[in-house]
Amino acid sequence: EVQLVESGGDLVQPGGSLRLSCAASGFTFGTYWMSWVRQAPGKGLEWVANIKEDESERNYADSVRGRFTIFRDNAKNSLYLQMNSLRVEDTAKYYCAREGVRAARDVWGQGTTVTVSS
Amino acid sequence: QSALTQPPSASGSPGQSVTISCTGTSSDVGGYNYVSWYQQYPGKAPKLMIYEVSKRPSGVPDRFSGSKSGNTASLTVSGLQAEDEADYYCHSYTGSYNNFYVFGTGTKVTVL
Repeated sequence: EVQLVESGGDLVQPGGSLRLSCAASGFTFGTYWMSWVRQAPGKGLEWVANIKEDESERNYADSVRGRFTIFRDNAKNSLYLQMNSLRVEDTAKYYCAREGVRAARDVWGQGTTVTVSS
Repeated sequence: QSALTQPPSASGSPGQSVTISCTGTSSDVGGYNYVSWYQQYPGKAPKLMIYEVSKRPSGVPDRFSGSKSGNTASLTVSGLQAEDEADYYCHSYTGSYNNFYVFGTGTKVTVL
């Protein structure tokens, strides 16, 4: 079964750091672009970042560039999101997603919740 | 890059059709055939329903169809069923360094 499982979400103070993980199974992880997408409580979806199969290209949304870093370990079938200088507005459920044809996100994890609050 | 514009809500009776619009610009929806649509139930992860403007992934009922004209994409759900009641989001590639991808504002579909 193709599956993505996120972990690492937590309550953190403004200015703090957190690392999210996404474990992939059921497909050849190293042959797909991967993304992080977030959803603030009661709000819509927001693309956060994506990364090429071999890590040679990474892209970020303006709202997180310079604070978040996306990376992956193909040997461990895992995707990560290092989040630094967290802000209250980063509070959201963070989803890991596989990118298929024409950047369509065809597999999603169940999400992990990040709450930034003092 | 602003979010793509969708109507907040849409509704129809069982068996009827509902169409959701997704309006962008020539820099996103109008510029690329990278439009996809997602269905999301409350508290659940999104599910891909349409990709590349009008293609359906395996397992998605053919009641769901997509199209595009100019800077506006559309998702049509024909033969509405109770299980179609959910939030729907469009999505497009922008090619902009600021934000390579953008989602729509979301539409809540209600089956009356």
